[in-house]
Amino acid sequence: SQQGEEDPQALSIQEGENATMNCSYKTSINNLQWYRQNSGRGLVHLILIRSNEREKHSGRLRVTLDTSKKSSSLLITASRAADTASYFCAEGGSQGNLIFGKGTKLSVKP
Amino acid sequence: GAGVSQSPSNKVTEKGKDVELRCDPISGHTALYWYRQRLGQGLEFLIYFQGNSAPDKSGLPSDRFSAERTGESVSTLTIQRTQQEDSAVYLCASSFSGNSNQPQHFGDGTRLSIL
Repeated sequence: SQQGEEDPQALSIQEGENATMNCSYKTSINNLQWYRQNSGRGLVHLILIRSNEREKHSGRLRVTLDTSKKSSSLLITASRAADTASYFCAEGGSQGNLIFGKGTKLSVKP
Repeated sequence: GAGVSQSPSNKVTEKGKDVELRCDPISGHTALYWYRQRLGQGLEFLIYFQGNSAPDKSGLPSDRFSAERTGESVSTLTIQRTQQEDSAVYLCASSFSGNSNQPQHFGDGTRLSIL
């Protein structure tokens, strides 16, 4: 399988703490994307980082990319209960489809 | 504006029956994708349509699965002779173009249960 891996599989933190999720991927990417999925819903696009970028910010989100290690991380700062969801990384290659990882389930306790 | 719409939201059927799932993409989006998500798992790519090009069917798990798309609008995913292993959430997504630099916009999925 070409599917990447997120680490950890599950993460439980207190409101206000930072949450870090890691993603290892397998293909040669044009970009790497992060998505959030609330229970029973579809995925929502959060952020895209291109292969020639190393770091990107969007609000409380910070994404890093290390193409030499084929890894990416998503940091959510000052987490809120509403951040409770599953988070997926997705590899964007030369074809149009994305290859999704298995996800990290984040639980933020109030 | 309207997002990606999928119907039905839930489908329960007996093993051996055929099912048809529908996806209405965002208007103007030329690319449409189908994924399968088993309970607690990631997304498994099934098929991808881009404009008038031949679809990429490389993810379809067996010949019981097929999909069609009418122009750049509605798509239907058909599963024939359903098996219990087909139980999953089927997610549809669309994007403005087939370029992987475009974000994908997802519907809320069809939860399929095979008895």
